[in-house]
Amino acid sequence: SAVISQKPSRDICQRGTSLTIQCQVDSQVTMMFWYRQQPGQSLTLIATANQGSEATYESGFVIDKFPISRPNLTFSTLTVSNMSPEDSSIYLCSVWTEVNTEAFFGQGTRLTVV
Amino acid sequence: GQQLNQSPQSMFIQEGEDVSMNCTSSSIFNTWLWYKQDPGEGPVLLIALYKAGELTSNGRLTAQFGITRKDSFLNISASIPSDVGIYFCAGRGGATNKLIFGTGTLLAVQP
Repeated sequence: SAVISQKPSRDICQRGTSLTIQCQVDSQVTMMFWYRQQPGQSLTLIATANQGSEATYESGFVIDKFPISRPNLTFSTLTVSNMSPEDSSIYLCSVWTEVNTEAFFGQGTRLTVV
Repeated sequence: GQQLNQSPQSMFIQEGEDVSMNCTSSSIFNTWLWYKQDPGEGPVLLIALYKAGELTSNGRLTAQFGITRKDSFLNISASIPSDVGIYFCAGRGGATNKLIFGTGTLLAVQP
């Protein structure tokens, strides 16, 4: 398994501002992903964070709104840009330790936009 | 985004009862994963399944990978109050190999 730390664990932000969420893993991992979980809903994949190259975004998510960095095999950031109340969600980092094996999750970042 | 059909949506049971929930998909998967999420936490992996027909247990939990590769179920035997939470299935496969999540099952256990 992998130990995944996300920062911040929660935040309340003003609309129009941006928040950067950090994901740190205790070991090198093959794949890193970012998910969004809207209130009372399931998890939706935002993008795959690719080391050394641009992230791969899912339909409905764009780089200008959710820029992602992955400078190495243990760290990634997700920025939620120009926030609106509709962005209020839990944002989760997930990793695969090996290709096509179990996926592990961080504890999530609970974002409230006011 | 794409989601799996998971049922039931919620369950309210007495302590000691057995629980069963399942997920179905229109697509074939090569991996099924089952997670539990407590309030304010990220999902925690319970069981991973990699082969059609595979039956795997983890304590009081048992999960099976359907023969058609389009479904999976999770059973919890002799439920206890700490089983309360939201259970999610997740499947992986297809051309993109992304992990797709079910809609979730809310489990409430009354002591």
